Amino acid sequence: QQQVKQSPQSLIVQKGGISIINCAYENTAFDYFPWYQQFPGKGPALLIAIRPDVSEKKEGRFTISFNKSAKQFSLHIMDSQPGDSATYFCAASIGNFGNEKLTFGTGTRLTIIP
Amino acid sequence: EPEVTQTPSHQVTQMGQEVILRCVPISNHLYFYWYRQILGQKVEFLVSFYNNEISEKSEIFDDQFSVERPDGSNFTLKIRSTKLEDSAMYFCASSGGGSGNQPQHFGDGTRLSIL
Repeated sequence: QQQVKQSPQSLIVQKGGISIINCAYENTAFDYFPWYQQFPGKGPALLIAIRPDVSEKKEGRFTISFNKSAKQFSLHIMDSQPGDSATYFCAASIGNFGNEKLTFGTGTRLTIIP
Repeated sequence: EPEVTQTPSHQVTQMGQEVILRCVPISNHLYFYWYRQILGQKVEFLVSFYNNEISEKSEIFDDQFSVERPDGSNFTLKIRSTKLEDSAMYFCASSGGGSGNQPQHFGDGTRLSIL
């Protein structure tokens, strides 16, 4: 019940296209859903996050769509650029006044081709 | 921008030896975490630490593991007797704490190789 399922495992998108990565969860107690970007040899870097009281959050080219009833959320990268090529992880946690372990998805390796 | 720093970047150790991984969290953060990422797999939670004690630990974090905040800046993960399956990237993270979910900031990790 603590799992977060992520798809696809890998994704190739043409430069300028839209990249879409999907995640699903089972535990309805999750109340925070961040996306992390990881480049080779680096740690995960927080990209954007959403709470379940909103259905969408946009920051620049990055948008999270959240469907509470379906227990799904997705990351959309608009106008994808070669610099976006990285591994993306969705995650979820339960708010506990700072003590909030992250449960990660399995990751999506995104490649943007010219 | 403040960042979490981890040392060493790569540690090679013989099986059965003790290893200590070090982290300097962001200075005003109150919650500290260790995560592990086996090559090609997802990031897994190991332990969280607050107010000088463990808040939560996963089933991976058995008696061979311990954490410590020996001074006001460092946060360490010790593996007492390493096994081959401990080979992984180990990430330290910290967050500011307070009410509601706080973003966790990750270091660049220590690659631990057990021979």
